[in-house]
Amino acid sequence: AQSVAQPEDQVNVAEGNPLTVKCTYSVSGNPYLFWYVQYPNRGLQFLLKYITGDNLVKGSYGFEAEFNKSQTSFHLKKPSALVSDSALYFCAVTYPNTDKLIFGTGTRLQVFP
Amino acid sequence: DGGITQSPKYLFRKEGQNVTLSCEQNLNHDAMYWYRQDPGQGLRLIYYSQIVNDFQKGDIAEGYSVSREKKESFPLTVTSAQKNPTAFYLCASSHAAGDLYEQYFGPGTRLTVT
Repeated sequence: AQSVAQPEDQVNVAEGNPLTVKCTYSVSGNPYLFWYVQYPNRGLQFLLKYITGDNLVKGSYGFEAEFNKSQTSFHLKKPSALVSDSALYFCAVTYPNTDKLIFGTGTRLQVFP
Repeated sequence: DGGITQSPKYLFRKEGQNVTLSCEQNLNHDAMYWYRQDPGQGLRLIYYSQIVNDFQKGDIAEGYSVSREKKESFPLTVTSAQKNPTAFYLCASSHAAGDLYEQYFGPGTRLTVT
């Protein structure tokens, strides 16, 4: 079955340090991958997506993600974390000719001043 | 939260009552979705609609019903048959159903049933 895993429930990082939020997906064809962010009591906001082409995708708020087919991963990264980046981050996967987006369980990012 | 509105933000109901959650979008999107969010479980798809007057069950449709009479509206009814209805409900829309398009989410409705 198609699935996506976020192995860390929480990631803690000091402000100014680089951050990584991990995501891996099950192997089944060519995936389309997404990252969303959710602030407390709000809906999700789209950050970036990988459909095809360059493996390094740049998105909103200085975030980027790298598609790694051999490791079936799509980790979210930012060179320098801000306290305001603290939120819940969701990775999601879908495949060509499907209608549904499959979400991971989310990773809470906490950036400390 | 883009052009998607959900009302109300908080909703309280007694067990055994049906309740309808509103979702409206002004993005001219064809596809709309309802998700349920519970702590530690991510988002689970309840129903989705690719076009007016058509909708499909998602992964956890039991105890829920929807309608899509207008392109901009996709209300969700939580029926008394839903065994554990207390949750945060999120509505989303996308340009079209399918793989390429990101979804835009509303602010959510937190439903508490006692």
